[in-house]
Amino acid sequence: GAGVSQSPSNKVTEKGKDVELRCDPISGHTALYWYRQSLGQGLEFLIYFQGNSAPDKSGLPSDRFSAERTGGSVSTLTIQRTQQEDSAVYLCASSLMGGSYEQYFGPGTRLTVT
Amino acid sequence: DQQVKQNSPSLSVQEGRISILNCDYTNSMFDYFLWYKKYPAEGPTFLISISSIKDKNEDGRFTVFLNKSAKHLSLHIVPSQPGDSAVYFCAARLYGGSQGNLIFGKGTKLSVKP
Repeated sequence: GAGVSQSPSNKVTEKGKDVELRCDPISGHTALYWYRQSLGQGLEFLIYFQGNSAPDKSGLPSDRFSAERTGGSVSTLTIQRTQQEDSAVYLCASSLMGGSYEQYFGPGTRLTVT
Repeated sequence: DQQVKQNSPSLSVQEGRISILNCDYTNSMFDYFLWYKKYPAEGPTFLISISSIKDKNEDGRFTVFLNKSAKHLSLHIVPSQPGDSAVYFCAARLYGGSQGNLIFGKGTKLSVKP
């Protein structure tokens, strides 16, 4: 079956521009997570959606970052006024239930801010 | 402060030998520990887990050992194969946390040489 898909796979943007990253989770998965991996770092949690509950935004690094999940499926991560330190691979994952340790990751979006 | 630490950024092993990847943690409230494997340009994939009430879990060539008193876990791969070459992330789940996310280490890049 189809796994988690993310688009675009690569994004180069100029400092100060806004970007939108998209995630299509596995159908039927109620939980969706965004992580990012900066160079030489581990996966850093950003935001977590579980069903119709309010998202857990505790990992978002600044108010320039926001995310939404429409219809309990597709999610969009938006970064406003991008900075060079936002350059990273942004990974989306989904799981059947919230809190499941078995998460299915997409291939990521590599964001480069010049 | 890093709650999950992988102190070895890389490891090189000969094919057929044992690979041992190590991970240390600081939070006693983790209830599950996981290992994820990541190939270049792909998202991490779940490999094996261990509950905090166990000290060993085995799945084929992969065994994870947990030493709670030392707050240490390790992943053993026997025998190692060239296809095992990847980055291995140690991760942990917080018991009862409102967050559904996992806390990841920085990863260890394993190279298995033929």
